[in-house]
Amino acid sequence: GDSVTQMEGPVTLSEEAFLTINCTYTATGYPSLFWYVQYPGEGLQLLLKATKADDKGSNKGFEATYRKETTSFHLEKGSVQVSDSAVYFCALSTGNQFYFGTGTSLTVIP
Amino acid sequence: DGGITQSPKYLFRKEGQNVTLSCEQNLNHDAMYWYRQDPGQGLRLIYYSQIVNDFQKGDIAEGYSVSREKKESFPLTVTSAQKNPTAFYLCASNGGIPGRTEAFFGQGTRLTVV
Repeated sequence: GDSVTQMEGPVTLSEEAFLTINCTYTATGYPSLFWYVQYPGEGLQLLLKATKADDKGSNKGFEATYRKETTSFHLEKGSVQVSDSAVYFCALSTGNQFYFGTGTSLTVIP
Repeated sequence: DGGITQSPKYLFRKEGQNVTLSCEQNLNHDAMYWYRQDPGQGLRLIYYSQIVNDFQKGDIAEGYSVSREKKESFPLTVTSAQKNPTAFYLCASNGGIPGRTEAFFGQGTRLTVV
């Protein structure tokens, strides 16, 4: 079945460090891929998305490229800030359902 | 502003009681979902509905029930049959082309058994 595997955390970085959170997927058909962010006690917010192979999603300095050949959608940011501290979820959709990874907790220290 | 509203934000249940979590959306979305979130386990699908008066069980439907009498509303009842209901519950909706558009989430309800 369809599934998402993402890098386990927690991840702790210093401010201005480079961030990579790995995400790989298994899917039948041609999924759309998403990154969501969750702040403490809140729901998930869409961070970025890509709907076909080689698409790059970007938002607020975060980027991820849909790589069909490696079935990956890794999240990157060149310089993290304290305000980026949150839990990040990779997700896919192939139709009527969404499949989420287990989440990666990121803490950025000043 | 369009969005999804979950209420209440915090809910306490005594053992043996049924409780109902509210989810309302004004996005005119056809599809709605309920997820359960436990620490370190990501999101698990409880129920989903693609259209009014129709819904399907997700991966962990036992001990839960839903209804979809109106497009805007998808309440979740946690019954006494759910043995471990303490969790964070998230409602979501989707209104675009299936498999191509994102899910929109509410702010969540934290349920605690006392």
